[in-house]
Amino acid sequence: DQQVKQNSPSLSVQEGRISILNCDYTNSMFDYFLWYKKYPAEGPTFLISISSIKDKNEDGRFTVFLNKSAKHLSLHIVPSQPGDSAVYFCAASPGNSGNTPLVFGKGTRLSVIA
Amino acid sequence: GAGVSQSPRYKVAKRGQDVALRCDPISGHVSLFWYQQALGQGPEFLTYFQNEAQLDKSGLPSDRFFAERPEGSVSTLKIQRTQQEDSAVYLCASSKRVGQTHYSNQPQHFGDGTRLSIL
Repeated sequence: DQQVKQNSPSLSVQEGRISILNCDYTNSMFDYFLWYKKYPAEGPTFLISISSIKDKNEDGRFTVFLNKSAKHLSLHIVPSQPGDSAVYFCAASPGNSGNTPLVFGKGTRLSVIA
Repeated sequence: GAGVSQSPRYKVAKRGQDVALRCDPISGHVSLFWYQQALGQGPEFLTYFQNEAQLDKSGLPSDRFFAERPEGSVSTLKIQRTQQEDSAVYLCASSKRVGQTHYSNQPQHFGDGTRLSIL
């Protein structure tokens, strides 16, 4: 029973356009949501997070939107760059992720085409 | 270094052998997590330490898996009598002390992992 789902295994976007990565969750106890980016043979790198009491958090080209009623979040990357090509993982935790295990989705592979 | 360091990067072992994987967290990080990532999947939680105390080991798949962090810094994940299904990437993550407000979420910072292959 997957608690965090990323239903699109892959996504291709043209350079300069918007990339939208989606994530759904089933556990209403999740309190924090995080996005990680992973290059081959490297560990996941933290990108951005959002608390359940907010509906939007922005950091440069990255914006995360949270819709609690739909149990859905999305990561927007604008403008997309070739260096953004990687696997993106959505993760959630029922408490502060500093002292609570993360539950991950299976990831979405983003390809940004020049 | 500034990041989480894991060693070895790659480990090949024969079925039945014991292996030990090391994690050196970011200096000063009190929390340390181990995850297992199978091919094509997201990382899955194994165990969690706060300083030297192992507070959660609910994700360890069997009693062949054992983790320790005796001095509250470096941690070792040991797998005894390895099986083929233990083949995976083992990731370690660390994070800072949790703050008091709801806005002070601390992300987990990951190492590059150890890729374990059991023949």
